[in-house]
Amino acid sequence: GGIITQTPKFLIGQEGQKLTLKCQQNFNHDTMYWYRQDSGKGLRLIYYSITENDLQKGDLSEGYDASREKKSSFSLTVTSAQKNEMAVFLCASSIAPGGRGAETLYFGSGTRLTVL
Amino acid sequence: AQSVTQPDARVTVSEGASLQLRCKYSYSATPYLFWYVQYPRQGLQMLLKYYSGDPVVQGVNGFEAEFSKSDSSFHLRKASVHWSDSAVYFCAVSSNSGTYQRFGTGTKLQVVP
Repeated sequence: GGIITQTPKFLIGQEGQKLTLKCQQNFNHDTMYWYRQDSGKGLRLIYYSITENDLQKGDLSEGYDASREKKSSFSLTVTSAQKNEMAVFLCASSIAPGGRGAETLYFGSGTRLTVL
Repeated sequence: AQSVTQPDARVTVSEGASLQLRCKYSYSATPYLFWYVQYPRQGLQMLLKYYSGDPVVQGVNGFEAEFSKSDSSFHLRKASVHWSDSAVYFCAVSSNSGTYQRFGTGTKLQVVP
């Protein structure tokens, strides 16, 4: 078995601040994802990456940057935090080569963001 | 593009009762369908998935789901719920050529004594 580790678990920022979230996986999976979870809105995809140094935009990429410098890690940057923003950011990975969406996703436990 | 709708934001059932959580999908071709569960302060875990074949698929912990092409549905069922089944359940859809899964808004299940 493997595990996905997200850091930090809790992140408190100020309006306009640049904030970075990190994700590590030891499944040796090709594809990694960042989803945002808002109450009542389910999960929405921000970015995904099918291999090292690859980045693909999801449905909610505006206001975010991502980076995948190694196969095992995927980071997400909130470029300018919005006041009163609260959300959970979930990192996931799958074995899918080429990013096929038909494979099972394995999730981390999330980073909870609060912007004051 | 594919999409899923979970019409029930919250469902409350008594322990030992049967359960059905609804999921409707929108996709022109044959979809790949998933149910995930999220326990408090945890990530999502897959319960079951459907690709093709028998429309009734079995998952972990006694859960099953039935695919219906005519109804565009993939409802989750359990014959007898336990208090530990209290969680948020998400339905997701993709395709073999699609690059990622799209999720519904989730259904929060509360099992009461």
